[in-house]
Amino acid sequence: SAVISQKPSRDICQRGTSLTIQCQVDSQVTMMFWYRQQPGQSLTLIATANQGSEATYESGFVIDKFPISRPNLTFSTLTVSNMSPEDSSIYLCSTGVADTQYFGPGTRLTVL
Amino acid sequence: GDSVTQMEGPVTLSEEAFLTINCTYTATGYPSLFWYVQYPGEGLQLLLKATKADDKGSNKGFEATYRKETTSFHLEKGSVQVSDSAVYFCALRGSSASKIIFGSGTRLSIRP
Repeated sequence: SAVISQKPSRDICQRGTSLTIQCQVDSQVTMMFWYRQQPGQSLTLIATANQGSEATYESGFVIDKFPISRPNLTFSTLTVSNMSPEDSSIYLCSTGVADTQYFGPGTRLTVL
Repeated sequence: GDSVTQMEGPVTLSEEAFLTINCTYTATGYPSLFWYVQYPGEGLQLLLKATKADDKGSNKGFEATYRKETTSFHLEKGSVQVSDSAVYFCALRGSSASKIIFGSGTRLSIRP
């Protein structure tokens, strides 16, 4: 199994600012994933982060808006840049272990 | 590409009623299938999974059978409780990728 923690758990930010979300896994994993869950919606994959290489972004998401770091096998960060109210969502970190996908508790972001 | 189609909600049932939430999928190869649950104010939790055709996943009285012939993974429970009120997500992971693709989610409310 994998236990995932995220920081911060929630934040309220001003338009135009940036927020960096941290994700820590209790074991070494190859791939880490960042998802977004907009209010009342399902989860949408933002990008896949492998250690030692550039993140792979899904259609509709770009590195300038959502830069990702993956410095080692247990840690990743997602930055939401130049925020607007439309970025208000829950952001979740995830990883897969033995055919099961685990999710962090999420970071609830509100942009005013 | 791979996709998941899920029964739209919200679904409201009385306690002890029988529950079915339909889920069908489109995928190449042999995906793994999952049901996740999100209780009010909580993070996403894996409810059950099935990794090959005819497998039955079960947990907490919920069941789902991987039907390749109908490309379905319907969630069932014989007698629901108020504590089952949550949002349920059907999901798949394709055989050639590690990312999870989610359905739109079904909000379930159980009346006492």
